Amino acid sequence: GAVVSQHPSWVICKSGTSVKIECRSLDFQATTMFWYRQFPKQSLMLMATSNEGSKATYEQGVEKDKFLINHASLTLSTLTVTSAHPEDSSFYICSAQGRGRGTYEQYFGPGTRLTVT
Amino acid sequence: QKEVEQNSGPLSVPEGAIASLNCTYSDRVSQSFFWYRQYSGKSPELIMSIYSNGDKEDGRFTAQLNKASQYVSLLIRDSQPSDSATYLCAVNRGNYGQNFVFGPGTRLSVLP
Repeated sequence: GAVVSQHPSWVICKSGTSVKIECRSLDFQATTMFWYRQFPKQSLMLMATSNEGSKATYEQGVEKDKFLINHASLTLSTLTVTSAHPEDSSFYICSAQGRGRGTYEQYFGPGTRLTVT
Repeated sequence: QKEVEQNSGPLSVPEGAIASLNCTYSDRVSQSFFWYRQYSGKSPELIMSIYSNGDKEDGRFTAQLNKASQYVSLLIRDSQPSDSATYLCAVNRGNYGQNFVFGPGTRLSVLP
């Protein structure tokens, strides 16, 4: 399958600081990237959808000023959790979809586990 | 009615048996359908995609789609303990990826 990477794979930060997570599509151009959050034993929750070169579309209840998404190129999207708090601790997963790897499938990155202390 | 529904399980089957996972969706205009496998603590992995009515086989996996009845299923033959995971059904309601909806997942446990 397609390769999508995420960095870092895990991060611990102090409350009030910001954390940036990178998502890269390694072998195809990702016209659309998705950001999900998953709490233990719960379902995936879509946070936002981003198209290359345009503003992200956030799901209802997701604060766009807190979760900053940038999709500046066809291979890179970033999620910045600003002023993180312990309740933001979760498993953040990106997925990518686009040209060259089947227009319809989403391929997931390995995820980033965020712990806010 | 939820857009994509799955039995949350757990579904327990003995090793070597056939595991049958079902998914129903509500939007008739849905175009494409996917099954993802998610191991505990890991991200989802695409295992099957299906776009037209009928069966699609890939190794021990068979996806079945019935658009008239709005259901899609996944059969896992010769189930192995390593198949124990949560299986997510996903439906794409549009021509491209803008309308992806995931089901809540079914937890499968294959007993040795």
